[in-house]
Amino acid sequence: DAKTTQPTSMDCAEGRAANLPCNHSTISGNEYVYWYRQIHSQGPQYIIHGLKNNETNEMASLIITEDRKSSTLILPHATLRDTAVYYCIAHSGAGSYQLTFGKGTKLSVIP
Amino acid sequence: DGGITQSPKYLFRKEGQNVTLSCEQNLNHDAMYWYRQDPGQGLRLIYYSQIVNDFQKGDIAEGYSVSREKKESFPLTVTSAQKNPTAFYLCATRGTPSNQPQHFGDGTRLSIL
Repeated sequence: DAKTTQPTSMDCAEGRAANLPCNHSTISGNEYVYWYRQIHSQGPQYIIHGLKNNETNEMASLIITEDRKSSTLILPHATLRDTAVYYCIAHSGAGSYQLTFGKGTKLSVIP
Repeated sequence: DGGITQSPKYLFRKEGQNVTLSCEQNLNHDAMYWYRQDPGQGLRLIYYSQIVNDFQKGDIAEGYSVSREKKESFPLTVTSAQKNPTAFYLCATRGTPSNQPQHFGDGTRLSIL
């Protein structure tokens, strides 16, 4: 898996959009970008993933730069329940089975 | 994630005792994984299985054993040989194709008495 770099922590006001950046400058052509989050004492929750194109689902949007060296996860209307550690992972899926979770970004949603 | 059940949620082990953690899934996924998470740390892969009756060691398999007799079930045994078993254990599954995301259960927290 390519190394990813995320800010250690971020704050976001409740109801505002939370924009979480991730740098993956050494990502290879067959590696997808996956986002997970983990709330204390729970298992990681899958949020979204993409290869080249921007993606959107009911939870979030994923914006991947054209050169694929960075991406941004957008939570459009953050709530207190979105407070968690967010992990960005670059992973090819084929042949490499372990997901490499780094330190992630601790997002705190402030009332 | 819905469809992956880990039990028990909390487990205590006595010295010299083997304990088994359960992981059951109804997602019809072929691949299943066991990870260990220590406080403030990332996930480390213990074992994984891509198909029934086959499994492979991950990075930290020593002191652990698994079986995969049914597609739905991938139990993990923490043996007495694992000298530092206190951790949060996570089971995950993945469907096909291989770029599909892994989905996780809610974990089992194992402690030593």
